[in-house]
Amino acid sequence: GENVEQHPSTLSVQEGDSAVIKCTYSDSASNYFPWYKQELGKGPQLIIDIRSNVGEKKDQRIAVTLNKTAKHFSLHITETQPEDSAVYFCAAFNQAGTALIFGKGTTLSVSS
Amino acid sequence: DSGVTQTPKHLITATGQRVTLRCSPRSGDLSVYWYQQSLDQGLQFLIQYYNGEERAKGNILERFSAQQFPDLHSELNLSSLELGDSALYFCASSVAWQGARNEQFFGPGTRLTVL
Repeated sequence: GENVEQHPSTLSVQEGDSAVIKCTYSDSASNYFPWYKQELGKGPQLIIDIRSNVGEKKDQRIAVTLNKTAKHFSLHITETQPEDSAVYFCAAFNQAGTALIFGKGTTLSVSS
Repeated sequence: DSGVTQTPKHLITATGQRVTLRCSPRSGDLSVYWYQQSLDQGLQFLIQYYNGEERAKGNILERFSAQQFPDLHSELNLSSLELGDSALYFCASSVAWQGARNEQFFGPGTRLTVL
């Protein structure tokens, strides 16, 4: 079945640095790739997503890139701030295009 | 705030018991999804409903069942509970069930503890 691998599992950066989280997926038919941010005690929050007809999408300090040939996509956060500290999940649709298959998550820590 | 609501926030019960978790989707969303989040398994899809009908099943145990009512709220029923069922249970909703407009928005979750 569909599988999504996410790296690294933990990431520590200094405030103002950039952070990059990478994911690979197995099903070449996947066409939707969201990223979620989960803070302690809260549900996952959709922060950005990309569809397979687009190579890159940006929203202020966050951007996502997609390489369909290599079946990988990445989240880029620039000028990190302490409030960016959270667990980030990448996801891709399952083969039926209905439910999301999630990566294992990346714990991002931004120190000031 | 995603607009998805879940009750209760916390639930503590004993092995062998049955519980019901409730979810109300965002206004205008017809599709509801249930996910389980545990430390060892991560976020796993359980089941999806669209406008009252079951559309997709994931790793849902036979002891678990769900339904979506005419007002579009959904309930997840967990029975014969085991210690391993302790987890966070999230509901998500989207406008469509497939294709475009299927961005999923998550609720705050229900933390289930089975003692």
